[in-house]
Amino acid sequence: SQQGEEDPQALSIQEGENATMNCSYKTSINNLQWYRQNSGRGLVHLILIRSNEREKHSGRLRVTLDTSKKSSSLLITASRAADTASYFCATVGYQKVTFGTGTKLQVIP
Amino acid sequence: GAVVSQHPSWVICKSGTSVKIECRSLDFQATTMFWYRQFPKQSLMLMATSNEGSKATYEQGVEKDKFLINHASLTLSTLTVTSAHPEDSSFYICSASTIQSEQYFGPGTRLTVT
Repeated sequence: SQQGEEDPQALSIQEGENATMNCSYKTSINNLQWYRQNSGRGLVHLILIRSNEREKHSGRLRVTLDTSKKSSSLLITASRAADTASYFCATVGYQKVTFGTGTKLQVIP
Repeated sequence: GAVVSQHPSWVICKSGTSVKIECRSLDFQATTMFWYRQFPKQSLMLMATSNEGSKATYEQGVEKDKFLINHASLTLSTLTVTSAHPEDSSFYICSASTIQSEQYFGPGTRLTVT
C-alpha cells in the first residue's frame, strides 16, 4: 500500500507554541484521520475529517483538508509537554486505511 | 465511541514457537478487521484484511502461511505468528471496521521473539 508523506519528520517546539504538521496522499479518500502515538504505545484517535469537509476543530486541534491538493494539516495550538508524541495521518479509502510516515513532535517545557 | 481490545498487550516468546494475538470489537460488530505491523520508529504497515467467515487478503510481501488470520465471528479476529523468529518482533495493531466503514484501532500487542 502506498503511504502518505508527512512533514516535517520531526518537530521540536517550546511549550505554548503552535505545532503544524502536514500530510500529503496519493489516492482518493472517503475520509482522513489523525492519530497520536506515544512511544511504544497504541494509537489514539484524534480527529476525523470527511472528504466533503474542509476544516474541523476539536479542542486545541484544527484539521484542514484540501482534496484538490491531496493534503491535510494538523494544527495543535498552545502546545503542552504532554503533546509530545508521534502524529500520523491515515487516509481511508474503501475498507482500507493507509498511514503516513508520521511526525515526531517534541514539546519542551 | 467503539472499543477494540487486543490480547495480550505484550508477549515474549522463544524463537520457533507460535504466538496468537486476539482482536475483539467490544461493543459493535465488525464485518472487516485489519492487521497492521509497526517496526520501531516506523509507520504502520497493513498486513492483511479479514472479513468474517472468509479468507484473509494479504498485502504483498506478507507470508500468509506465517501469519495465520482467523475471523471466526463478527467480534473476534486472531493473528497467529507461526514459527516466530526475532525478525518478527514488532508491534502488531488490529483495527475493526463498522458498517459505516469507520475504523477503530486496538491498543496494540508488542511481540518480542528471543
